[in-house]
Amino acid sequence: NAGVTQTPKFRILKIGQSMTLQCTQDMNHNYMYWYRQDPGMGLKLIYYSVGAGITDKGEVPNGYNVSRSTTEDFPLRLELAAPSQTSVYFCASREGNYGYTFGSGTRLTVV
Amino acid sequence: AQSVTQLGSHVSVSEGALVLLRCNYSSSVPPYLFWYVQYPNQGLQLLLKYTTGATLVKGINGFEAEFKKSETSFHLTKPSAHMSDAAEYFCAFSGNTGKLIFGQGTTLQVKP
Repeated sequence: NAGVTQTPKFRILKIGQSMTLQCTQDMNHNYMYWYRQDPGMGLKLIYYSVGAGITDKGEVPNGYNVSRSTTEDFPLRLELAAPSQTSVYFCASREGNYGYTFGSGTRLTVV
Repeated sequence: AQSVTQLGSHVSVSEGALVLLRCNYSSSVPPYLFWYVQYPNQGLQLLLKYTTGATLVKGINGFEAEFKKSETSFHLTKPSAHMSDAAEYFCAFSGNTGKLIFGQGTTLQVKP
């Protein structure tokens, strides 16, 4: 039972480059989330999805895009990487109000 | 607006001492409340959660938390700290929006 899988685990980007952070879950959860974690700030919600084909902005969506073409996958896209996007990114999924399952994170550095 | 506040960004205790990490929330709807632990360079692990029913919730590793509606609090406690408890702890809230809102986190240091 893999749960929520994030790839890559680490990445260094140059300013202006683009990349996609992958997130896949095998629990058939409808709800999926992307968070970023910065020191002393907790986790901030970037985007979330309540089901395939439906996405919505969270608290800090600027500079990011998402898509949800299947229940399993919820990729996060950075189009023009900026130093302010240096962070640790977590993907999560849930079903009902009881269980949020988190991936192991992607540590991104923009230089 | 819904929010979560963790009082104290750093807490230091001696091994064997009581651990108390404070969490208050703001919400106009019944909350679902969670505590997560994060060890260095790792993801988030669920310690415990409150949904409905009993207000004293027991979790893993000897931790427990009590939901107090009148105080809008959900403080995390452990009677006796172990060195292995050193980590960052996050309180989180989920209301009727489906979104999980996190506090700023509290780093627990355990001194020998």
